Amino acid sequence: GDSVTQMEGPVTLSEEAFLTINCTYTATGYPSLFWYVQYPGEGLQLLLKATKADDKGSNKGFEATYRKETTSFHLEKGSVQVSDSAVYFCALSGATNKLIFGTGTLLAVQP
Amino acid sequence: NAGVTQTPKFQVLKTGQSMTLQCAQDMNHEYMSWYRQDPGMGLRLIHYSVGAGITDQGEVPNGYNVSRSTTEDFPLRLLSAAPSQTSVYFCASSAPSGQNNSPLHFGNGTRLTVT
Repeated sequence: GDSVTQMEGPVTLSEEAFLTINCTYTATGYPSLFWYVQYPGEGLQLLLKATKADDKGSNKGFEATYRKETTSFHLEKGSVQVSDSAVYFCALSGATNKLIFGTGTLLAVQP
Repeated sequence: NAGVTQTPKFQVLKTGQSMTLQCAQDMNHEYMSWYRQDPGMGLRLIHYSVGAGITDQGEVPNGYNVSRSTTEDFPLRLLSAAPSQTSVYFCASSAPSGQNNSPLHFGNGTRLTVT
């Protein structure tokens, strides 16, 4: 069945460092891909999405490109801030139209 | 704008007790769902509903019941709580166009401990 694999955390970075969180997927057909973010004590909220191959989703300085050839959707940000500290979830929506989540990656940004 | 509201925020149960986790949304969303979040497991879908009167099972439905009598409410019932149900539970909703065009809106979660 459909699945999402993302890099394990925690990822610890200094402020203004470059961020990459890897995400790969397995799916039949052409899924849509998402990154959700969970701040401490809150529910998840959509960060960005891409609905077809080569699409780039972007929001709040974060970017991810839908790569069909490598079945990947890596999250990147050029310069992280302390306020970016959160858990990041990669997810896909496939033929069943239900979201399937990865296990989440904790990002801790130190000043 | 309330969005998705979950109650209670915290709950402690003894093994064998029953309880209902409440979820309400005010966005007129047709699709509603329940997830549980466990360390190292991500979010797993328990039950979902595509509209009033319609419910279906997700990935981990055992031990949980749901009903959808109105568009706004989607309660999750634990009939006989077990320690394995200790988790953080999230309710989420979206518009009927599906995930591709309408993202999930999440509540802030209910942290449940079963002793």
